[in-house]
Amino acid sequence: SAVISQKPSRDICQRGTSLTIQCQVDSQVTMMFWYRQQPGQSLTLIATANQGSEATYESGFVIDKFPISRPNLTFSTLTVSNMSPEDSSIYLCSVNTGLGQPQHFGDGTRLSIL
Amino acid sequence: QKEVEQDPGPLSVPEGAIVSLNCTYSNSAFQYFMWYRQYSRKGPELLMYTYSSGNKEDGRFTAQVDKSSKYISLFIRDSQPSDSATYLCAMSGNTDKLIFGTGTRLQVFP
Repeated sequence: SAVISQKPSRDICQRGTSLTIQCQVDSQVTMMFWYRQQPGQSLTLIATANQGSEATYESGFVIDKFPISRPNLTFSTLTVSNMSPEDSSIYLCSVNTGLGQPQHFGDGTRLSIL
Repeated sequence: QKEVEQDPGPLSVPEGAIVSLNCTYSNSAFQYFMWYRQYSRKGPELLMYTYSSGNKEDGRFTAQVDKSSKYISLFIRDSQPSDSATYLCAMSGNTDKLIFGTGTRLQVFP
């Protein structure tokens, strides 16, 4: 399976600032996904990122708050904008190789907002 | 009602026990079913992947899917302390969107 690297692995940020999380894959993949994992809750899909097109956001998530870039088939970024304490969470990147195929995850970015 | 229900545990068992982890779901369109294992401070790691109903075995792990009951299970035989982790069920239909359970925390003590 693909090896997925996320940076940073953790960060502590001030309220009102923005942070960009990077996701690098060791092979070309069509689909990349961004999830949020809050304590005691399910992983929740934020958006799906396809190369060469706008990201598709799930209900409750908007581009202004979580802009996503997908410049090529091995890389994506997620920005968490104008952060508040409610954004404290683990953010995870995943990839798959096609519809119905299982997703593989990076180790996540642990984000705390003061 | 959540689309996927999973008992959060924690579940504590002695080494060598057989562990049964379960999820129920409400969406009959789900046809791809996965189990992930997540260690502390790590991302989810794919353990088992099944399509439609039936059983799948991989070493000490067996996944079962009963679509008629909307119920999936993961069995771990001869459990080891290294199996101590959170186990997440996930499923999808005819899109790439995965719906996850909340995870069951398992502790295997020596």
